[in-house]
Amino acid sequence: NAGVTQTPKFRVLKTGQSMTLLCAQDMNHEYMYWYRQDPGMGLRLIHYSVGEGTTAKGEVPDGYNVSRLKKQNFLLGLESAAPSQTSVYFCATRPPGDIQYFGAGTRLSVL
Amino acid sequence: SQQGEEDPQALSIQEGENATMNCSYKTSINNLQWYRQNSGRGLVHLILIRSNEREKHSGRLRVTLDTSKKSSSLLITASRAADTASYFCATGESGGSNYKLTFGKGTLLTVNP
Repeated sequence: NAGVTQTPKFRVLKTGQSMTLLCAQDMNHEYMYWYRQDPGMGLRLIHYSVGEGTTAKGEVPDGYNVSRLKKQNFLLGLESAAPSQTSVYFCATRPPGDIQYFGAGTRLSVL
Repeated sequence: SQQGEEDPQALSIQEGENATMNCSYKTSINNLQWYRQNSGRGLVHLILIRSNEREKHSGRLRVTLDTSKKSSSLLITASRAADTASYFCATGESGGSNYKLTFGKGTLLTVNP
């Protein structure tokens, strides 16, 4: 997964706590995406960005916020974590074309 | 909502055998892609087939697309233990925001040595 770095790799939160997941890319790709992956559900799009300073909602945006202040970084925030947000979160980037490049994921548990 | 649905959900074969996975989808598409995910890792792109193509090859992979049936298949020939992974189809929809992909739930392939 060279080029797309997600931090942290693991995190445990208590209900109501907040946190930010960072996605950093060194490939100068315009498009960036945040997905969540739950057992038996495949990947679902949370938010995405088509360029620096832009963000848009995906399929499951509730409870999350995002920011793209710099082209290389896409942040996913949880303001008040809930157990339903326990999941594996993946960031992806997309150059011109249709292929997406994924990070290694962040495993989040909300107790 | 999920666009692609892979079938079967799980597949177990012996090394050297061929593995076939199917994907069905619901709406018109620009392209269909297959990704692989090893346990605990991110997804890796395998192959893309466009809506005006019917078959595509890449090494031991063969993908077919039937837009009239809204279905695709991924064939892995001469499988190896290292092919053990989950495989996902993803569709880029026609006429919409084709910079978004919609993923299926995946097929878990186990290749036994």
